[in-house]
Amino acid sequence: DAGVIQSPRHEVTEMGQEVTLRCKPISGHDYLFWYRQTMMRGLELLIYFNNNVPIDDSGMPEDRFSAKMPNASFSTLKIQPSEPRDSAVYFCASSPRTARGGYTFGSGTRLTVV
Amino acid sequence: DAKTTQPPSMDCAEGRAANLPCNHSTISGNEYVYWYRQIHSQGPQYIIHGLKNNETNEMASLIITEDRKSSTLILPHATLRDTAVYYCIVRSEGGSNYKLTFGKGTLLTVNP
Repeated sequence: DAGVIQSPRHEVTEMGQEVTLRCKPISGHDYLFWYRQTMMRGLELLIYFNNNVPIDDSGMPEDRFSAKMPNASFSTLKIQPSEPRDSAVYFCASSPRTARGGYTFGSGTRLTVV
Repeated sequence: DAKTTQPPSMDCAEGRAANLPCNHSTISGNEYVYWYRQIHSQGPQYIIHGLKNNETNEMASLIITEDRKSSTLILPHATLRDTAVYYCIVRSEGGSNYKLTFGKGTLLTVNP
């Protein structure tokens, strides 16, 4: 298995533009998580899905952020409009239902909003 | 989930054992102890987890005290590639809470 695949690896965009981050979880994993990491706030859970259904989005910072999981093999995190304070590394992770073995994280997307 | 306390940083000589402590004095009976690490610029990586028995895998050993209020992650022969931030996380299994909440972790620096 290729692991959790995120794209793009790097994204530089101008303030006000829409940004879409993508994630392909490991096949057969029931859970998908989106995290954001900054120096100031560390790793923060934004939202997670179980069987494509959003379970907890309490970490989503504001209405500018939205996440979808249209099928078991794909998820997106969208920021519209983007702001400089959204600059961070965004990680996607997936996990099987039994949690034995923990989460598998992707390599992350480094987002810079200028 | 119970809160954990870790030292912010530790040093270890290459080839020696690295022992990373974690306090989780408010842990409850159904909560597991998880360890992850994050090497610079990479996503966090699962290392090991346990409930009350000591655990060992190809990466590390996890020693949990009898009262379960603290644990130690042991890297038996640390290498330079083990330099990373190590996170100790406590989480219950089952139910509706499936979140892993990361704290600040311990920055382990392995020196040549």
